[in-house]
Amino acid sequence: EIVLTQSPGTLSLSPGERATLSCRASQSVGSNYLAWYQQKPGQAPKLLIYGASSRATGIPDRFSGSGSGTDFTLTISRLEPEDFAVYYCQQYGTFFGPGTKVEIK
Amino acid sequence: QVQLVQSGAEVKKPGASVKVSCKVSGYTFTDYYIHWVRQAPGQGLEWMGYINPNRGATNYAQKFQGSVTMTGDTSITTAYMTLRRLTSGDTAVYYCAMSAGTTDWFDPWGQGTPVIVSS
Repeated sequence: EIVLTQSPGTLSLSPGERATLSCRASQSVGSNYLAWYQQKPGQAPKLLIYGASSRATGIPDRFSGSGSGTDFTLTISRLEPEDFAVYYCQQYGTFFGPGTKVEIK
Repeated sequence: QVQLVQSGAEVKKPGASVKVSCKVSGYTFTDYYIHWVRQAPGQGLEWMGYINPNRGATNYAQKFQGSVTMTGDTSITTAYMTLRRLTSGDTAVYYCAMSAGTTDWFDPWGQGTPVIVSS
């Protein structure tokens, strides 16, 4: 079983700033089978990125994913007010990382 | 448009069972997989397992083996998750989500069903 670790646990930033979120796997994630989700309070998670770097339908281009093997990154180039949320990475079809909360500084 | 609509909130006593439904529309129900994910208050996402409604094939996370059953009714395009022998630790929001394969991303998701276990 691959274990996913996310850092930092909380990221305090201001609107307009750049956010860099990390997801590290205990073993190589084959074929870049890694996804990122955004979850806002009281809502279901929403798919942002699949295949480590492909944006889901309707996701703004300020969101980008990168990485391979065991190290992956989600970058939000300029934070908008609606981007403050919790972000989870997931190895396809199974377990999630513990999440990174992006909060307003 | 693909939609997953879940049943309403449940309140159960310890030791009871709960059955949550997930009505799917907008796609061929039997072509995809339905996963169940739960989220305890203030906690992260916990994958529970999946069902392929076409064949009835299931795969449960080890933690839930023996306590969860996932089923599907193709005639009404609805998936179900039954959790038995509830404890306060099962208090959570339960989500269903769709994937195209066993190793695939989850999209879309249902709106979530709160389950409260309390005496």
